[in-house]
Amino acid sequence: KQEVTQIPAALSVPEGENLVLNCSFTDSAIYNLQWFRQDPGKGLTSLLLIQSSQREQTSGRLNASLDKSSGRSTLYIAASQPGDSATYLCAGKYGNKLVFGAGTILRVKS
Amino acid sequence: DTAVSQTPKYLVTQMGNDKSIKCEQNLGHDTMYWYKQDSKKFLKIMFSYNNKELIINETVPNRFSPKSPDKAHLNLHINSLELGDSAVYFCASSPSANILNSGANVLTFGAGSRLTVL
Repeated sequence: KQEVTQIPAALSVPEGENLVLNCSFTDSAIYNLQWFRQDPGKGLTSLLLIQSSQREQTSGRLNASLDKSSGRSTLYIAASQPGDSATYLCAGKYGNKLVFGAGTILRVKS
Repeated sequence: DTAVSQTPKYLVTQMGNDKSIKCEQNLGHDTMYWYKQDSKKFLKIMFSYNNKELIINETVPNRFSPKSPDKAHLNLHINSLELGDSAVYFCASSPSANILNSGANVLTFGAGSRLTVL
């Protein structure tokens, strides 16, 4: 069974800190892994997509890594800002469907 | 211009009623999806259509029936609504269902439709 787990469930940090969000998946036959951001009452915004053949992707202050052998992905956020406060979801792509984790609720305090 | 738009954004209705949620994308994508996000925030796929053809149908009650009149639209009709159907339903689209095409895999989500069954 394909399952995706995210830890921690919630994280609160002061502005300016670097932080890491963790995602693990049980089935390594993954085509790609995506990180999304969800703001309260809003839809999902795709942040980064890492193909199974890649190790990492970067976009601005965000860096996502993928280690298929250990079944893990991390999302690194540098110099966090209050505007980064949101729920961050990772999702593994198996065939044509995405299997989502439950998300990490991030709060960056000013 | 909203890329993936869903209507209605909020829907409150009584048990036993039949309701529909509509989704339209103006991105020219071939593939559309319906996801359900429950109270615990888990997102689970329900259906996927590629060029009007059903390609994913997860274990969803028969009361849920998707309809894709064309590749830009994917509507979700729910019969005999139950309390457990209360959730946020997200529509999404991607350029293609070709999983080997990296560019095809990025999903664009709608803002969600919050369904409350009383």
